[in-house]
Amino acid sequence: GGIITQTPKFLIGQEGQKLTLKCQQNFNHDTMYWYRQDSGKGLRLIYYSITENDLQKGDLSEGYDASREKKSSFSLTVTSAQKNEMAVFLCASSEGGQDTQYFGPGTRLLVL
Amino acid sequence: GQQVQQSPTSLVLQEGENAELQCNFSTSLNSMQWFYQRPGGSLISVFYNPSGTKQSGRLTSTTVIKERRSSLHISSSQITDSGTYLCAIDTNTGKLTFGDGTVLTVKP
Repeated sequence: GGIITQTPKFLIGQEGQKLTLKCQQNFNHDTMYWYRQDSGKGLRLIYYSITENDLQKGDLSEGYDASREKKSSFSLTVTSAQKNEMAVFLCASSEGGQDTQYFGPGTRLLVL
Repeated sequence: GQQVQQSPTSLVLQEGENAELQCNFSTSLNSMQWFYQRPGGSLISVFYNPSGTKQSGRLTSTTVIKERRSSLHISSSQITDSGTYLCAIDTNTGKLTFGDGTVLTVKP
């Protein structure tokens, strides 16, 4: 078995601030993902990475940057937080692009 | 329009009743998954079910590719089944597209 860790658990930011979210997995999975989930909605893909140093844009990449520094970690940066923004950011990993995805507990973002 | 549509949006049951959740998709797919999300919790894959019927305990998933639909049946619901059930499809891109989920509340 393995685990996905996301830090921080809660993130409160100011409008215009650059905010970074981190994700670590010890499954030794090749592919990692960042999703955004708004209240009452499904997940939307922001970025994904199929291997170390690879980056692929999802449907919601505008306003975000990502970095796959090493196989086990994938970070997401909100380049300029929007006022009243509230969402949960979920990280996931899978062995390959079409295998079952395993999810972390999420980072809850609130922008004041 | 939305590629993945789930119904109902929410469902309230008495403990012991059965639940039927639907997922309809507007495109051909390579695979689909059902996920369970406890309030404030992470997603757990319940079924990876490209086609046919799969059962795990009280949960049964049936996917009919030709009709572009999948269902999740929960028999004898328990309070601990409460949460959000999400279906997601992969259209052979390696990326999952999610529905908005069904929020299930099971009351004692």
